[in-house]
Amino acid sequence: QKEVEQNSGPLSVPEGAIASLNCTYSDRGSQSFFWYRQYSGKSPELIMSIYSNGDKEDGRFTAQLNKASQYVSLLIRDSQPSDSATYLCAVNAGGGNKLTFGTGTQLKVEL
Amino acid sequence: KAGVTQTPRYLIKTRGQQVTLSCSPISGHRSVSWYQQTPGQGLQFLFEYFSETQRNKGNFPGRFSGRQFSNSRSEMNVSTLELGDSALYLCASSLKTSGGSNTGELFFGEGSRLTVL
Repeated sequence: QKEVEQNSGPLSVPEGAIASLNCTYSDRGSQSFFWYRQYSGKSPELIMSIYSNGDKEDGRFTAQLNKASQYVSLLIRDSQPSDSATYLCAVNAGGGNKLTFGTGTQLKVEL
Repeated sequence: KAGVTQTPRYLIKTRGQQVTLSCSPISGHRSVSWYQQTPGQGLQFLFEYFSETQRNKGNFPGRFSGRQFSNSRSEMNVSTLELGDSALYLCASSLKTSGGSNTGELFFGEGSRLTVL
């Protein structure tokens, strides 16, 4: 069983729509949760971090965390073609900077 | 502010050889982590260094090793290369090291793409 699971996609949404990306994790001791974006041929970049249950908003991005359900999600409002990328969910259960990554969801925003 | 710098960007080796990859973190960042990225396994944690000490280690064989210098620069070494070691090796630096709410906020370099023939 994978420790962090994501649907690989591709998830296709029209420009201007809301994109919803989901992630589940298996370690109940996980404390920190992250979303990284990776464009093709580039390295991952951090876009959101969340540490407590509920929602956290930053511009067009909203991260949602439900520890009881072991579920993390990322909403992207007003999706733009420039949002087309692979979105990686990452979880920190062991402290330090040891992250467990999901395999990523490919998002395609279509004109 | 300069980002994380990794060298070399690309390299080709043959089975049995060894390779050393270098990483210079963002100025002021004392934690350096290494990850391996492959199409099949995704991003997998190799190890983390802080103050020249290995703080965490992933599930990789002993052929994979690393070190950190007093200026926070880090190197990783892979000995006796195997075909399966072909991957993108990513270095990431972080301002935070342990505890606190910012642990896990990583800044990645562009990576070193290793091909083993």
